[in-house]
Amino acid sequence: GQNIDQPTEMTATEGAIVQINCTYQTSGFNGLFWYQQHAGEAPTFLSYNVLDGLEEKGRFSSFLSRSKGYSYLLLKELQMKDSASYLCAVMDSNYQLIWGAGTKLIIKP
Amino acid sequence: DAMVIQNPRYQVTQFGKPVTLSCSQTLNHNVMYWYQQKSSQAPKLLFHYYDKDFNNEADTPDNFQSRRPNTSFCFLDIRSPGLGDAAMYLCATSGTAPTDTQYFGPGTRLTVL
Repeated sequence: GQNIDQPTEMTATEGAIVQINCTYQTSGFNGLFWYQQHAGEAPTFLSYNVLDGLEEKGRFSSFLSRSKGYSYLLLKELQMKDSASYLCAVMDSNYQLIWGAGTKLIIKP
Repeated sequence: DAMVIQNPRYQVTQFGKPVTLSCSQTLNHNVMYWYQQKSSQAPKLLFHYYDKDFNNEADTPDNFQSRRPNTSFCFLDIRSPGLGDAAMYLCATSGTAPTDTQYFGPGTRLTVL
């Protein structure tokens, strides 16, 4: 079966750095997406990785290793507004998007 | 601003009473999706349209139907809502390339009494 694993919940301090990991086992791979979802709201797109390596976008970076079936989202200079769930989703060989259950990130002052 | 709009944002219905949720988009995207998301769970794809071509997920209950009268609008009909259908319903759109990013509307939270 296809599977996406992310930690259920993480806590970090305002101003710090946090890394949210995602491991996947899917039938084929056509890219990995990270979305941010605030409570009660829709997911918003953060990043897309299809090649190995690190993609940086301001305070957020996303890393992919296809050989390891692994990605992480790195958030720097954490702000209170970063408290949200972070969803990892992988597009498989049939171009179906397989979603993880999300990691709830709690930021403390 | 180009966007995906969902109405209503909150919907309350009674057990067994049909309900329709709507989605519209100004992104001019050919592909539209309906997802169901329950608390702390991954979004679950119910169906999607590639233009007017309807694609139903194998495990989507018959209780759920969809209509797409034109490129801009898409509807989700729940014929006889049960308590287990209470969830957030998310509409998303994307371009036609298979790996195009999906853009989501704000969602409709459905409560079934």
